[in-house]
Amino acid sequence: EAGVVQSPRYKIIEKKQPVAFWCNPISGHNTLYWYLQNLGQGPELLIRYENEEAVDDSQLPKDRFSAERLKGVDSTLKIQPAELGDSAVYLCASSSHRGNLEQFFGPGTRLTVL
Amino acid sequence: QKEVEQNSGPLSVPEGAIASLNCTYSDRVSQSFFWYRQYSGKSPELIMSIYSNGDKEDGRFTAQLNKASQYVSLLIRDSQPSDSATYLCAVFGNQFYFGTGTSLTVIP
Repeated sequence: EAGVVQSPRYKIIEKKQPVAFWCNPISGHNTLYWYLQNLGQGPELLIRYENEEAVDDSQLPKDRFSAERLKGVDSTLKIQPAELGDSAVYLCASSSHRGNLEQFFGPGTRLTVL
Repeated sequence: QKEVEQNSGPLSVPEGAIASLNCTYSDRVSQSFFWYRQYSGKSPELIMSIYSNGDKEDGRFTAQLNKASQYVSLLIRDSQPSDSATYLCAVFGNQFYFGTGTSLTVIP
């Protein structure tokens, strides 16, 4: 069974530029999560999807961050414009359904904003 | 007060010893608890979950939950150098929260 796939693995951009991250969850997993993780910190939830519905986006900075999961499978997280403080690892995770919260993480995208 | 608190460590134990990792949480409605292991430069990987008070064992790992004390722990028996990593506690009540992790070093 393939794991969670993320791309790109690394991204370097200048501040004020846009950036997008893509995630494909484990096949059959209905719940998808986006996290950011700063060095020495735990992951911080940005948004959680149940199928194509965003059920928890309370921690998503909506002035510059957006996400979509149009067909309830893969998802894109976008930042526009990026700021220096957005440099972090962006992690995508999935779990099988609402009743099973065991999450499996992708390898992450390391974003550096210069 | 953070939603999930862990001692950042580092915690060092000799090979073969028991490593004890602790986590406290603030939201009393929390119902689901997880332990993840994260190697440097890698993403978190699930070790085990626990939902009910008491102990849950899986191989060398034992998770312990005490909802009255809002406390969850992870014991690693017969610690191996390959167990050296950061251990993250995660809690779900109305939202998912992760602790900052405890760094464990197992000394050969």
